[in-house]
Amino acid sequence: QVQLQESGPGLVKPSQTLSLTCTVSGGSISSGSYYWSWIRQPAGKGLEWIGRIYTSGSTNYNPSLKSRVTISVDTSKNQFSLKLSSVTAADTAVYYCAREAWGGQGDYWGQGTLVTVSS
Amino acid sequence: SYELTQPLSVSVALGQTARITCGGNNIGSKNVHWYQQKPGQAPVLVIYRDSNRPSGIPERFSGSNSGNTATLTISRAQAGDEADYYCQVWDSSTWVFGGGTKLTVL
Repeated sequence: QVQLQESGPGLVKPSQTLSLTCTVSGGSISSGSYYWSWIRQPAGKGLEWIGRIYTSGSTNYNPSLKSRVTISVDTSKNQFSLKLSSVTAADTAVYYCAREAWGGQGDYWGQGTLVTVSS
Repeated sequence: SYELTQPLSVSVALGQTARITCGGNNIGSKNVHWYQQKPGQAPVLVIYRDSNRPSGIPERFSGSNSGNTATLTISRAQAGDEADYYCQVWDSSTWVFGGGTKLTVL
């Protein structure tokens, strides 16, 4: 059973860079034809896709966030990571990582981690 | 950019059938996925590629997709089905989510 777990600071100051890591267990991040995604959800609002990465390093990003987002993968650690620069209060949200199966669906999700942007 | 439209809320009587719609331009040509999200929890995939159920999802959950509307149907609704439901597609190299529908079981 694949499991994903987000980790990283719960508090980030405005204008700084938000950094999160997703650790995959129960299977190799390199096995199978899967993409690995980040999604976020502000309190009381809907889901927003941030971007995804394949283990080759190929990425796709949400155009609305593309200028500030970097997603990377470390296959040796079975992890992938998110960096979001120049954050503001609008970036305060629960951040989820997820595995994307063939067909474009997120079949496994992490439990989510709350990141608050505040001075 | 592609947009998905869901009703803000749907109500259903206990034991009856709930239908949640997801509208989009020619959505019938895309794979539609549905997620259930309960308060404080991560989303759970309940239908993928229009009408397929992941293992562990009850047969009461079904999906269809045609024309400009995809539909998630929940038969014999239970109190435990009360949640937010999101549709999602892949378009122009991005995931696109609907705004979500709150299902209330009366």
